[in-house]
Amino acid sequence: SQTIHQWPATLVQPVGSPLSLECTVEGTSNPNLYWYRQAAGRGLQLLFYSVGIGQISSEVPQNLSASRPQDRQFILSSKKLLLSDSGFYLCAWSAGQGARQPQHFGDGTRLSIL
Amino acid sequence: GNSVTQMEGPVTLSEEAFLTINCTYTATGYPSLFWYVQYPGEGLQLLLKATKADDKGSNKGFEATYRKETTSFHLEKGSVQVSDSAVYFCALSDPNTGTASKLTFGTGTRLQVTL
Repeated sequence: SQTIHQWPATLVQPVGSPLSLECTVEGTSNPNLYWYRQAAGRGLQLLFYSVGIGQISSEVPQNLSASRPQDRQFILSSKKLLLSDSGFYLCAWSAGQGARQPQHFGDGTRLSIL
Repeated sequence: GNSVTQMEGPVTLSEEAFLTINCTYTATGYPSLFWYVQYPGEGLQLLLKATKADDKGSNKGFEATYRKETTSFHLEKGSVQVSDSAVYFCALSDPNTGTASKLTFGTGTRLQVTL
């Protein structure tokens, strides 16, 4: 069966520090991968998605970037964190077989910026 | 563009009460529709789905029917339990986005079930 792992589960970082969140998927090949941010009490905002290695689509302009160095690895990064980057970050995958596939989510990373 | 509208929460029910959470959508074409559930401090879990008009998705006593004529996908459960307390998200998948399954989410509805 397929599983998705995100780490770390929680992270406290000072303003201006770098960020690297990692997500890996097991049990499937060529998945589509997604990064979301969920602000407290709010819905989900799609940040990036990827349909293949090295292919990244950005949905909103921001202080973050994403990379996909391997088929089942998706990384969310920042060079200098802002206070507004605080939130709950969720990684998800879907089967790479078209737009009707459901997405499956990891357990998330809660990021607090001080 | 696509959009999903959910009823405002929180919804507070007594155990064994009937649950309805309303969801309506706006989309071009024929999207797939999903309900996700998020328990405190966790990621989202797929609860059920429907891919075409009149499909009924069901899981764990929850069900929702894809109503194209009313562009709705209301979530129902006949008898809720305290363990159903969570935030519920309605979402649609735009079939016109190529290979990626880009979801549009509603803002979520918090359900609290009390004894």
